[in-house]
Amino acid sequence: DAGVIQSPRHEVTEMGQEVTLRCKPISGHDYLFWYRQTMMRGLELLIYFNNNVPIDDSGMPEDRFSAKMPNASFSTLKIQPSEPRDSAVYFCASSFIIGPTYEQYFGPGTRLTVT
Amino acid sequence: AQKVTQAQTEISVVEKEDVTLDCVYETRDTTYYLFWYKQPPSGELVFLIRRNSFDEQNEISGRYSWNFQKSTSSFNFTITASQVVDSAVYFCALSEVQAGANNLFFGTGTRLTVIP
Repeated sequence: DAGVIQSPRHEVTEMGQEVTLRCKPISGHDYLFWYRQTMMRGLELLIYFNNNVPIDDSGMPEDRFSAKMPNASFSTLKIQPSEPRDSAVYFCASSFIIGPTYEQYFGPGTRLTVT
Repeated sequence: AQKVTQAQTEISVVEKEDVTLDCVYETRDTTYYLFWYKQPPSGELVFLIRRNSFDEQNEISGRYSWNFQKSTSSFNFTITASQVVDSAVYFCALSEVQAGANNLFFGTGTRLTVIP
């Protein structure tokens, strides 16, 4: 399996621009997660989906952030308009719960820089 | 309140030394899961181990071992005979069943540097 795929790997954009991050989960996984990693706040969950439905978006920082999962093999995280404080590494992860056990498999991350 | 505490921000050891990374967690759930992830300099997060709250058996995998003690709410990670390739940031994480067992609460990580 190719693992979780994220694109782009690096994104540099100017403040005010729209940014779209993409994720392809591992085939067969029914949970998808978006995390953000910063030096100040560490790793924090933004939102997660189960069977393409958003379950918990309480970690989404504000209305500028939105996430969609139109099908089982694709998700996007959009920031509009972007701000310098959005600069971070954004990780996508997927998992498949079998009984009481599971683990989340992470993608390589997208490093976002907003100037 | 911080659910997962990794008090060691940075550790440096000389190659072949043993090193233990500490993890203390806090939860009111009786059923929960604990994890360790490794983040090497390349940036990806690599799953190392999962342990559920009913299984206090220590686990060994090659040079890695984990010591789970519910009495002290700790889930420590030991690397034996460390190697330069072990240099990474290591994260401990907690998942609570009541929260849906889907939300991972990460500690702040411990940066391990193994000096050749």
